Amino acid sequence: GAGVSQSPSNKVTEKGKDVELRCDPISGHTALYWYRQRLGQGLEFLIYFQGNSAPDKSGLPSDRFSAERTGESVSTLTIQRTQQEDSAVYLCASSFSGVGSYEQYFGPGTRLTVT
Amino acid sequence: AQSVTQLDSQVPVFEEAPVELRCNYSSSVSVYLFWYVQYPNQGLQLLLKYLSGSTLVESINGFEAEFNKSQTSFHLRKPSVHISDTAEYFCAVRNGSSNTGKLIFGQGTTLQVKP
Repeated sequence: GAGVSQSPSNKVTEKGKDVELRCDPISGHTALYWYRQRLGQGLEFLIYFQGNSAPDKSGLPSDRFSAERTGESVSTLTIQRTQQEDSAVYLCASSFSGVGSYEQYFGPGTRLTVT
Repeated sequence: AQSVTQLDSQVPVFEEAPVELRCNYSSSVSVYLFWYVQYPNQGLQLLLKYLSGSTLVESINGFEAEFNKSQTSFHLRKPSVHISDTAEYFCAVRNGSSNTGKLIFGQGTTLQVKP
């Protein structure tokens, strides 16, 4: 079956512009996560969705970052007024549930470069 | 707060030699532990996990990891590596009673297998 997909795969934007990153989770997965991976670093948790609600937004680094999810489907991560420090690979993952020991399946990521 | 430390950023090793990738975590609660692997130009994949029960867990391609609660470690080992094991390896921890499932990742270890 289809895995987690993300688009675009690469995005180059100018400082100060807004960007939208998209994630299509595996069908039937109610939990969806966004992570960020800066160069040479591990993944940082950003936000968790259960269905279309976000009970854990603790990892969003500033109010320039926001995310939405439509039902148990597509999620969009929006970064407003991008800064150079936002350059990173943004990874999306999904799982059957946030409760329990379900495996998270990761997408290929979107590489964001802010110039 | 939970954290994960991968003590080696790069581990060069010759083919057929043994390898150990070290991972230590800090947590005051029960945890689930994971190793993820990212092969060149590919997405993140689950390699193995510890949830409960036997402290020694194995992957299908010969890796194993042992959960050591007293030392708060989850080191990854393989007795004989192949060129194809060249990849970046991430250790991750999750709060065992969490209702969000978010993962806390280490900074990653690049395993470089040389012929």
